[in-house]
Amino acid sequence: SQTIHQWPATLVQPVGSPLSLECTVEGTSNPNLYWYRQAAGRGLQLLFYSVGIGQISSEVPQNLSASRPQDRQFILSSKKLLLSDSGFYLCACYCGQDTDTQYFGPGTRLTVL
Amino acid sequence: QQPVQSPQAVILREGEDAVINCSSSKALYSVHWYRQKHGEAPVFLMILLKGGEQKGHDKISASFNEKKQQSSLYLTASQLSYSGTYFCGTEEDTGNQFYFGTGTSLTVIP
Repeated sequence: SQTIHQWPATLVQPVGSPLSLECTVEGTSNPNLYWYRQAAGRGLQLLFYSVGIGQISSEVPQNLSASRPQDRQFILSSKKLLLSDSGFYLCACYCGQDTDTQYFGPGTRLTVL
Repeated sequence: QQPVQSPQAVILREGEDAVINCSSSKALYSVHWYRQKHGEAPVFLMILLKGGEQKGHDKISASFNEKKQQSSLYLTASQLSYSGTYFCGTEEDTGNQFYFGTGTSLTVIP
């Protein structure tokens, strides 16, 4: 079965610093991958999705970017963090035998000070 | 694009039933339902596909009205463990996007 890894689990960064969050998937190939952000007390917001290596679609224009250098690796980055970037970041995939189900990683809790 | 859920919040006593609604303005291929506990990732509950196929748990069921682009999640004989925020997720007929609804906070009290 598929497993989604995210790291780090928690992160505290100053405003203006860079960011790199990594997501890797095991146990599947050619997954559709997604980055979501959840602000405190709010719903999940789709940030980026990718259907293959090097293919990234952005849903919300902002100071974040995403890359997919390998089939099972999805990276979320920023050159300069804003206070509003604080939140819970989730990586998800359509993967595994049940291709109609979206599976989530454990998430990264980011606090920008 | 983001589906709208209702109600925003509901409080139940153990054993009571609840219905959570999800509505989209777009033609949908599938509707997913998730439950999220505070500080944790969402957990998959249910999927409804265009055409009527359905999967899910025993005491949790759902319906999908393709014509109205609406889905409802039914929780029967609620348990304390049902507490959390429920999200519907929609996959539109076109594209690979997946959007989560606005969320419904459900609290079950003894």
